[in-house]
Amino acid sequence: GAVVSQHPSRVICKSGTSVKIECRSLDFQATTMFWYRQFPKQSLMLMATSNEGSKATYEQGVEKDKFLINHASLTLSTLTVTSAHPEDSSFYICSAPGQAQETQYFGPGTRLLVL
Amino acid sequence: SQKIEQNSEALNIQEGKTATLTCNYTNYSPAYLQWYRQDPGRGPVFLLLIRENEKEKRKERLKVTFDTTLKQSLFHITASQPADSATYLCALRSDSNYQLIWGAGTKLIIKP
Repeated sequence: GAVVSQHPSRVICKSGTSVKIECRSLDFQATTMFWYRQFPKQSLMLMATSNEGSKATYEQGVEKDKFLINHASLTLSTLTVTSAHPEDSSFYICSAPGQAQETQYFGPGTRLLVL
Repeated sequence: SQKIEQNSEALNIQEGKTATLTCNYTNYSPAYLQWYRQDPGRGPVFLLLIRENEKEKRKERLKVTFDTTLKQSLFHITASQPADSATYLCALRSDSNYQLIWGAGTKLIIKP
């Protein structure tokens, strides 16, 4: 089955630093990947759609200059949280659509804690 | 606006019984609906997809129904086991490109 990995799984950083999260599709190519944020006991919130070879599409209210997305290849998308603040602490999850573009395959998530 | 509702309260079920979770939606006519399982600290895992022209779909101990008149989907786990304990999310495809609209999930606890 389709496997998506994320790295790191957990990161703790100081306020004001930048953090990069990698999302890789291991056994398939993904021209599109999605980045979500999830707070405890809440639904997945789509932040942006990452498109290989073009700019990411951001959801309303998500700052594109703060959450930089780069879809460098057909198997790699990165999310960089710039100048992180404690309110950015959350669970970040990426996903990629399956072959039929209906289901989504999720990475294991990255827990970010900004001190 | 499009809205999906799942019971926010945890559902406690005795092992061996059937667990039934509900997903309701409004202002929406989805082509299909999906159910995912999410364990704590992990990403969701796809379970089942049901299309608008399908009434019911089964996979092993799982069964999903889809009533487009009631705008509701029910997710059943028969012969439930403690290992079935998790949060279950329903998701509908939005009208735009490949995006899914997510419910907040229902936490299911199967007691031995």
